[in-house]
Amino acid sequence: DTAVSQTPKYLVTQMGNDKSIKCEQNLGHDTMYWYKQDSKKFLKIMFSYNNKELIINETVPNRFSPKSPDKAHLNLHINSLELGDSAVYFCASSYGTGGAGANVLTFGAGSRLTVL
Amino acid sequence: DAKTTQPTSMDCAEGRAANLPCNHSTISGNEYVYWYRQIHSQGPQYIIHGLKNNETNEMASLIITEDRKSSTLILPHATLRDTAVYYCICQKGYQKVTFGTGTKLQVIP
Repeated sequence: DTAVSQTPKYLVTQMGNDKSIKCEQNLGHDTMYWYKQDSKKFLKIMFSYNNKELIINETVPNRFSPKSPDKAHLNLHINSLELGDSAVYFCASSYGTGGAGANVLTFGAGSRLTVL
Repeated sequence: DAKTTQPTSMDCAEGRAANLPCNHSTISGNEYVYWYRQIHSQGPQYIIHGLKNNETNEMASLIITEDRKSSTLILPHATLRDTAVYYCICQKGYQKVTFGTGTKLQVIP
């Protein structure tokens, strides 16, 4: 059983299209995240949800819209895709509250998005 | 969260200890030091964390200096499977954790 699972693993699409990446965790964690890793390998936080509430919203274009239907799922929808959106997107989760151990992140395997 | 500085790359002979340093001179009193690693094409994997005492688990040991301005991750007997990028981060709470470029550790046969 994969703890944090993302789909799809690979996504190739044309500029201007709209696409979604889904994430599910079965760890019982309260907090979920989306990270973006660009070609230079920087891993930057984009969004975080705690119990379905948005708690972190970094400077991300509003073409990116996260949605958390329940605390086990956090999906990422991207409108009007641009070349610069090409990256690997990682979902992660943590307990979120209750001390240092609660902040340990468990990452998914990543979703590689290529925009042509 | 405090900024961290790590060497860009390091080599280690297989079977030897790998010592990965991290500077975090602006760490605040309630920030923990966390280490993760990312093996090629995989998601980052948690290794260990600590506040001020040295910590050890089945994967590694973490040595934090008394002034907490730097730390060292120790892989006691490096194997080829330990080849990865190692990230050191300082964090309090669950907000805004951004990883730097880390240290690319190459374990050499």
